[in-house]
Amino acid sequence: DTGVSQDPRHKITKRGQNVTFRCDPISEHNRLYWYRQTLGQGPEFLTYFQNEAQLEKSRLLSDRFSAERPKGSFSTLEIQRTEQGDSAMYLCASSPSLFRVYNSPLHFGNGTRLTVT
Amino acid sequence: DQQVKQNSPSLSVQEGRISILNCDYTNSMFDYFLWYKKYPAEGPTFLISISSIKDKNEDGRFTVFLNKSAKHLSLHIVPSQPGDSAVYFCAASVGGAQKLVFGQGTRLTINP
Repeated sequence: DTGVSQDPRHKITKRGQNVTFRCDPISEHNRLYWYRQTLGQGPEFLTYFQNEAQLEKSRLLSDRFSAERPKGSFSTLEIQRTEQGDSAMYLCASSPSLFRVYNSPLHFGNGTRLTVT
Repeated sequence: DQQVKQNSPSLSVQEGRISILNCDYTNSMFDYFLWYKKYPAEGPTFLISISSIKDKNEDGRFTVFLNKSAKHLSLHIVPSQPGDSAVYFCAASVGGAQKLVFGQGTRLTINP
């Protein structure tokens, strides 16, 4: 179990640029989640996948945000035309489907910290 | 609409004493509750959970209590150790869904 891996750890970009983050979940986990955490707040749900299917998107996820999980393994989160308000920690998490049955809750990666200048 | 609230941004406790972290929620549909611990520059790490059919769950030094009528849960750490210094988040979910709603977090500092 190598854990959930996120790349890059830090990203500084200028307003208006596009950025893409990658998440590699724990290999046997078929659910993958994206959360966003701003300073002084807890993580907020953005979207999640069951295998390659994107099953739910938060209203926080504007049209500038898109997430993919093309082969049901790794996932990417892209933000187009970044704004200063996008500055946050972007967290990825994974779990097996029946986490309550097996008492296996979400496993988080260490996040990608985005700074938009 | 903050459905899960941790009203204490910080808590300072002496090593060896009990730490009590509190969390309130408003959504009566929540039926699964968790506590996560977060060190700087790391992602949250799962600590302990409780289903709404129980009122207490214990795991070593950590115990979570759930009071459904008050919509309140608490995490007790005893005895507190310096390595427990971290930010603690409570989280909740509905119907077994894995979409978690988090509180704002409480920064716990254990003083030697």
